[in-house]
Amino acid sequence: DAGITQSPRHKVTETGTPVTLRCHQTENHRYMYWYRQDPGHGLRLIHYSYGVKDTDKGEVSDGYSVSRSKTEDFLLTLESATSSQTSVYFCAISEWRGSSNMDTQYFGPGTRLTVL
Amino acid sequence: KNQVEQSPQSLIILEGKNCTLQCNYTVSPFSNLRWYKQDTGRGPVSLTIMTFSENTKSNGRYTATLDADTKQSSLHITASQLSDSASYICVVTRDSTNAGKSTFGDGTTLTVKP
Repeated sequence: DAGITQSPRHKVTETGTPVTLRCHQTENHRYMYWYRQDPGHGLRLIHYSYGVKDTDKGEVSDGYSVSRSKTEDFLLTLESATSSQTSVYFCAISEWRGSSNMDTQYFGPGTRLTVL
Repeated sequence: KNQVEQSPQSLIILEGKNCTLQCNYTVSPFSNLRWYKQDTGRGPVSLTIMTFSENTKSNGRYTATLDADTKQSSLHITASQLSDSASYICVVTRDSTNAGKSTFGDGTTLTVKP
């Protein structure tokens, strides 16, 4: 998994509770991403980061926040979890060099989150 | 709306047979197209990446083709193996300078039977 770990790998929580997922990389890549994957929707981008403290929203960012205080760590927080946020969450990294040939993304193993 | 549609949704073939998966997109502008393989319970792994000027790219038994005029791509798998059983995802990127400008297809689930 290209030096990417996600924690926890599985989590069950209750509606209304805060949840934080962690992505850690050892590749020193500049870009980090959070996606969610649901049946019938493919992978959808939640937020991404293009450097320490530099983040931007993806297509499904409502209800999620992120932080990146170090190059190697990218945190995804659900401030108040809802059942619609039950999903598998994937972290990815890439080293974007402005050339379309150099933007391969490497994905982590995923976190399965269940909100009851 | 930028969309990526893959077909078929699922496919079952016998070990040793060839198969072709399709990807049609309406994403514009176009920067590159990638194919990923995702094993059950794991994250996607990149197979190929093609830019506008590339018509074909191979990675072992996997060969991807791209027709940028018709906005179609295919992934051909030769001499399938049981380990090819996975979901195959097509991804189209609109802007090579913006990491967030990618649209993912829903994937084709391939099952290879002995």
